[in-house]
Amino acid sequence: DTAVSQTPKYLVTQMGNDKSIKCEQNLGHDTMYWYKQDSKKFLKIMFSYNNKELIINETVPNRFSPKSPDKAHLNLHINSLELGDSAVYFCASSDPAEGLNEQFFGPGTRLTVL
Amino acid sequence: GEDVEQSLFLSVREGDSSVINCTYTDSSSTYLYWYKQEPGAGLQLLTYIFSNMDMKQDQRLTVLLNKKDKHLSLRIADTQTGDSAIYFCAESDGGSQGNLIFGKGTKLSVKP
Repeated sequence: DTAVSQTPKYLVTQMGNDKSIKCEQNLGHDTMYWYKQDSKKFLKIMFSYNNKELIINETVPNRFSPKSPDKAHLNLHINSLELGDSAVYFCASSDPAEGLNEQFFGPGTRLTVL
Repeated sequence: GEDVEQSLFLSVREGDSSVINCTYTDSSSTYLYWYKQEPGAGLQLLTYIFSNMDMKQDQRLTVLLNKKDKHLSLRIADTQTGDSAIYFCAESDGGSQGNLIFGKGTKLSVKP
């Protein structure tokens, strides 16, 4: 049973296109995240949602729009893709309690913008 | 703001001990974490330590925390080729959700 799943695993697209990445978790967690990992493997948080509500929106262009239809899903829609958007995008989920925030990560979506 | 620093690379021979170091800035972080990322995969929690502890041992893993110097280390005893991965140190951002700030990751290469 996959705890946090993402689709697609690979996404290759042209500059200027619009694309979506889907994320689902079956852990019953209230909080979900999107991270971007660049080519040097540096990991940066983009968004955090708690119970379908946006909690964190780091300095991310507004071409990126997360959507949480329900607690188990957090999708990432990207408009007008640019070369610099090429990266691996990770979804994660957790149920923070008493300061402990063990996050469970999906396998990642490798986005390549040509 | 919060920042987590790690050296980027470490190379060891199979059977040796590996020590990965990390410094962090947020002294209010209740927990500190070590995550492991194998090639082509997502991050997995390896271990964590509560901030009022100095040391935590879990089989081949030993975590040392020096709160005064804001220094965290991960020691892997008898390192195996399967331990080759990127290791990320993380602290909490101090907010109510305990969101994580990750270091840049240390790539551990284990030579046979």
